[in-house]
Amino acid sequence: RKEVEQDPGPFNVPEGATVAFNCTYSNSASQSFFWYRQDCRKEPKLLMSVYSSGNEDGRFTAQLNRASQYISLLIRDSKLSDSATYLCGSSGGSNYKLTFGKGTLLTVNP
Amino acid sequence: SAVISQKPSRDICQRGTSLTIQCQVDSQVTMMFWYRQQPGQSLTLIATANQGSEATYESGFVIDKFPISRPNLTFSTLTVSNMSPEDSSIYLCSVAITRTGLNTGELFFGEGSRLTVL
Repeated sequence: RKEVEQDPGPFNVPEGATVAFNCTYSNSASQSFFWYRQDCRKEPKLLMSVYSSGNEDGRFTAQLNRASQYISLLIRDSKLSDSATYLCGSSGGSNYKLTFGKGTLLTVNP
Repeated sequence: SAVISQKPSRDICQRGTSLTIQCQVDSQVTMMFWYRQQPGQSLTLIATANQGSEATYESGFVIDKFPISRPNLTFSTLTVSNMSPEDSSIYLCSVAITRTGLNTGELFFGEGSRLTVL
């Protein structure tokens, strides 16, 4: 089993839609979780850290479920500019190394 | 955050040659890493670049193939040695910006070096 697995996608949604991505992790010692956004031919950029209590940043909401070992990202009112690949990452134990999923491609259509 | 500069941004190389990628950070950082992202694949950690000592390699990566230097807290190089077409990939330098009082932090990436081996 891969350490971090994501919905393979691709997701094609109309503007204004709500879309959710899930990501599961196998290392129960993982302490920190993140969502990154990667545009085509660009480096990944941090979108959100995922806190135990869940966190929200505008149209984006991230949740962590430790019991089931998954994290989620919800995007409300999708914009064309949200089109990108979304990567989830987790760090194991007390280190800074992140393990990433393969990413989920989102395309928001007009 | 940190400003991370990588060069070259892209290169096309011949099989059997070696290429050194440089990573410069605009501030001193303790944790620096090298990742690889092959087409259609996830980011894969190659190694942790340790300042003043040998890098720590992940399973499947060895020093002879990917020698790394880290002479100070703002600079590192990754060499891809004796290249083959399978080494065609994007190589990314990253740094961890730690949060005060926590033993983990957020990872920031350079723009990547896109390598094509013919």
